[in-house]
Amino acid sequence: GQQLNQSPQSMFIQEGEDVSMNCTSSSIFNTWLWYKQDPGEGPVLLIALYKAGELTSNGRLTAQFGITRKDSFLNISASIPSDVGIYFCAGPGNAGNNRKLIWGLGTSLAVNP
Amino acid sequence: KAGVTQTPRYLIKTRGQQVTLSCSPISGHRSVSWYQQTPGQGLQFLFEYFSETQRNKGNFPGRFSGRQFSNSRSEMNVSTLELGDSALYLCASSLGIGGGRAYEQYFGPGTRLTVT
Repeated sequence: GQQLNQSPQSMFIQEGEDVSMNCTSSSIFNTWLWYKQDPGEGPVLLIALYKAGELTSNGRLTAQFGITRKDSFLNISASIPSDVGIYFCAGPGNAGNNRKLIWGLGTSLAVNP
Repeated sequence: KAGVTQTPRYLIKTRGQQVTLSCSPISGHRSVSWYQQTPGQGLQFLFEYFSETQRNKGNFPGRFSGRQFSNSRSEMNVSTLELGDSALYLCASSLGIGGGRAYEQYFGPGTRLTVT
């Protein structure tokens, strides 16, 4: 079935550094969603992308929809301690009309103050 | 607009018992999806309900079931609980129909189930 591969699996960075993570697939996605999950809470939608090549920002976060439609990238600039959490990418699968969301396994981010 | 609510937030049950979890979606959302998350694991998809019908199903045993009511509120039930069912159970609502935004899922805070 369709899969989303996220990398890196985990990151440990210093406060103030920029962060880059990505999500790739062997199949095409028409929508990319990026979520952040704080420990013990539900994921929160950060950015949604709908068009190949699209670049969208949300504060210090910027996400891009890859031109091939098989990948997406999330960048965080000038990281702060509250950026700690797990970042997930997701996109609707292509099977039939009732397409459920396919999820990556997440990138765990730790920030050293 | 009120967000997704889940009740209860925490639950402790004994092996062999059954449990029912509740989810109230965002007003106007017709789709509710349920996920199981264990420590260090991603989101394991259980099922999705749309307009009171199960539209998608994950690879979980029949002990896991759900339903959706006419007001879009949803419940999931786990029967004959096992220790391995201890997890954070998340529900997410979405429009469920239409273009790209139909797939944007909004999550509740989750129900932390502990089976002893």
